[in-house]
Amino acid sequence: AQSVTQLDSHVSVSEGTPVLLRCNYSSSYSPSLFWYVQHPNKGLQLLLKYTSAATLVKGINGFEAEFKKSETSFHLTKPSAHMSDAAEYFCVSRGWGGFKTIFGAGTRLFVKA
Amino acid sequence: DAGVIQSPRHEVTEMGQEVTLRCKPISGHDYLFWYRQTMMRGLELLIYFNNNVPIDDSGMPEDRFSAKMPNASFSTLKIQPSEPRDSAVYFCASTLGAATNEKLFFGSGTQLSVL
Repeated sequence: AQSVTQLDSHVSVSEGTPVLLRCNYSSSYSPSLFWYVQHPNKGLQLLLKYTSAATLVKGINGFEAEFKKSETSFHLTKPSAHMSDAAEYFCVSRGWGGFKTIFGAGTRLFVKA
Repeated sequence: DAGVIQSPRHEVTEMGQEVTLRCKPISGHDYLFWYRQTMMRGLELLIYFNNNVPIDDSGMPEDRFSAKMPNASFSTLKIQPSEPRDSAVYFCASTLGAATNEKLFFGSGTQLSVL
């Protein structure tokens, strides 16, 4: 069965420190994986997507994610947090063949000054 | 293109009333998704369509919910009768099924409040 687990519901970091948002996926096949961000009262924006061309994917605003098949993980990282990064982040999985697109429960990122 | 268009932006109704949410996907997109977002459950996939045909409706919570896509440019999500626990933000999204890693384009959502 296809599922996505975001391991932390909340993450709090100080401005300028690294960010790590964790995501594990479960699928019978290697799924397509995405990270989306949702700022308060705004829509959902694509941060990055895994295309199978490279295991390390670079996205917008300095974010990147590494696909690790052996660990079934697709963690999102950023070397240095900015106040504007405070938002909710969703790890998303799309299965093969059917296009069923599942969102993780979300991780709310807080950035302290 | 104007993007995915949802209407209304806000809907306030009383328990027991029928609610209809509308969505116009991006022209040319062949997949359409309906999601519900709540604090408790996050973003739940309710149903999705491919070429106007419902593919998976396993996320529809109960028979009070129904969705249709009569043509490639219009979809509705109907709740009848509505209940307070249906209060949520409902998002519609569309994508082009050229590849599995095509991104979703989201509408602005409909904020539904059932009193």
